[in-house]
Amino acid sequence: EDKVVQSPLSLVVHEGDTVTLNCSYEVTNFRSLLWYKQEKKAPTFLFMLTSSGIEKKSGRLSSILDKKELFSILNITATQTGDSAIYLCAAPYNNAGNMLTFGGGTRLMVKP
Amino acid sequence: EAQVTQNPRYLITVTGKKLTVTCSQNMNHEYMSWYRQDPGLGLRQIYYSMNVEVTDKGDVPEGYKVSRKEKRNFPLILESPSPNQTSLYFCASSLRVYTGELFFGEGSRLTVL
Repeated sequence: EDKVVQSPLSLVVHEGDTVTLNCSYEVTNFRSLLWYKQEKKAPTFLFMLTSSGIEKKSGRLSSILDKKELFSILNITATQTGDSAIYLCAAPYNNAGNMLTFGGGTRLMVKP
Repeated sequence: EAQVTQNPRYLITVTGKKLTVTCSQNMNHEYMSWYRQDPGLGLRQIYYSMNVEVTDKGDVPEGYKVSRKEKRNFPLILESPSPNQTSLYFCASSLRVYTGELFFGEGSRLTVL
């Protein structure tokens, strides 16, 4: 069964801490792994990782993909209260790559 | 402004009363999809569409219908809503799903009594 599993379920840190969020996946015909941030409502796109792009970085956020061990991590350094959100990872999983499965998300709370 | 627009944003209805949640995107995207989000279950795909007149079931299609008569619109229809369809619904669009960036609507919170 194609699936994406995230850990931890939730995390509470203080401003300035570094956090690592985990995403493991088992999908047929792997194409990409996607990270989204969901604050109050709609998820917003962060990164896409593929076989040809296994590391991505944007400011304090970075992500890597380990295709051998079938997982990805999202790192956030020097966390700020504005990083508080649910972080979702997802992967297209059917033969055509047009169905998307999401993990359950990691709820991050950053305290002042 | 590039966006995905859903309506209504909030709705309380009763069992069996047909309703439609509209979704419109202005980015000329081929791919559109509906998801529901429930506590502890994450986002689950209901239906998706690769292009006009091309729709297919996702993981949880029971009790829902969709149509794609125009590229920009992808309404979600609940013919006979039941309480287990109480959820937060998201419409999303993309050039193609595996290009990565799904654009989500603001969500529609539906309560079925």
